[in-house]
Amino acid sequence: GPKVLQIPSHQIIDMGQMVTLNCDPVSNHLYFYWYKQILGQQMEFLVNFYNGKVMEKSKLFKDQFSVERPDGSYFTLKIQPTALEDSAVYFCASSTGGQAETLYFGSGTRLTVL
Amino acid sequence: SQLAEENPWALSVHEGESVTVNCSYKTSITALQWYRQKSGEGPAQLILIRSNEREKRNGRLRATLDTSSQSSSLSITATRCEDTAVYFCATDPDQGGRALIFGTGTTVSVSP
Repeated sequence: GPKVLQIPSHQIIDMGQMVTLNCDPVSNHLYFYWYKQILGQQMEFLVNFYNGKVMEKSKLFKDQFSVERPDGSYFTLKIQPTALEDSAVYFCASSTGGQAETLYFGSGTRLTVL
Repeated sequence: SQLAEENPWALSVHEGESVTVNCSYKTSITALQWYRQKSGEGPAQLILIRSNEREKRNGRLRATLDTSSQSSSLSITATRCEDTAVYFCATDPDQGGRALIFGTGTTVSVSP
């Protein structure tokens, strides 16, 4: 099936540093998402993105977070500066449509903030 | 409180047995989706059932939806060890936000 690639699979950084998580979505998909998961628990929605803009974001999407997809390249999640509570696995997903559509997820990036 | 919750929290069955995971949700929806997440992987969709549908099948999987009681179930027949995973229901709200909202998950363990 369609594949979403996430790079890197693991990232360890010191608190206060900047980190960028990269996602290569399915090629013909138009909607992109980031979810956060702590310790294999609930998948928590962070943000979705369409046509170069943030469509909606949750309260977990703090001011230190930003997303972009410049010129159809990677869809990125940037955290600047990072905090200890940002440690989690971040999943990227993409879909063809914006609602009631299948989301295709990557394998996640495990972020550890020390 | 959660917008969607599965129950029970965890289930253990032997290969060949059937298992059912339940989901209750609190919002009006356009659709409900079931996802499976195996260890170290991202979630993968199993079934999407729209609000005007009552049942959907996909091989050994059967999902039901009752919009009046705001509940859904996912049944797996003839379970295999590779069905071991966390199963999530996820709701597509029909108003307010459009983001897919996941439940808390049920861990299903299938042993030989």
